[in-house]
Amino acid sequence: QSALTQPASVSGSPGQSITISCTGTSSDIGHYNSVSWYQHYPGRAPKLLIFDVTNRPSGISSRFSGSKSGNTASLTISGLLTEDEADYYCSSYTTDTTLVFGTGTRLTVL
Amino acid sequence: QVQLVESGGGVVQPGASLRLSCAASGFTFTNYAMHWVRQAPGKGLEWVAVISYDGSHQFYADSVKGRFSISRDTSTQTVSLQMNSLKSEDTALYFCAKDGRVGSTTGRSADHWGQGTLVTVSS
Repeated sequence: QSALTQPASVSGSPGQSITISCTGTSSDIGHYNSVSWYQHYPGRAPKLLIFDVTNRPSGISSRFSGSKSGNTASLTISGLLTEDEADYYCSSYTTDTTLVFGTGTRLTVL
Repeated sequence: QVQLVESGGGVVQPGASLRLSCAASGFTFTNYAMHWVRQAPGKGLEWVAVISYDGSHQFYADSVKGRFSISRDTSTQTVSLQMNSLKSEDTALYFCAKDGRVGSTTGRSADHWGQGTLVTVSS
């Protein structure tokens, strides 16, 4: 149950697009289309942005999109806003019938 | 609207036990698996456990297996996490979360989260 690997930090300017990667193995990301992405402001409840690789829950902006290729999933945020500055986590279902989270990425909007 | 309210956190010594509770409302409790997820100070999110929608299955992270036990009470719409043999590395903010899939046994994603309850294990 090793954590999925994410870059520690990414940055972008308002209006730009950024992509956060999430690398796992053939026992998690590569095995199931059960990748989720969460936005987390410290001290607050995390928010689900993407589930099942590409799906957005009701109320989530279309600026957030997800994809997957092999053992790596990605979250793209387009049209960056200052309010997007937060921590982002991926997660995946695994062949051990558990969930595993990514290491987390701090997004800075310059 | 969905509400999840955790309680039961506190400061305990290594080796002690603690029971966390999560009061759920605003959705059909018996239709959804429920998760516990934690975040140690300065660290990332770590999935802890899940209980199936009907309570028949429970799954745990290796780091807590054999020490923690998740349960649910339909009559009170509460999910609990019994934590035994606590270690300093269990110090974290513990979140309760609802799974996003109806009728899930294993849970795949958490679509609503509580604000968390803080557990500190220290001598």
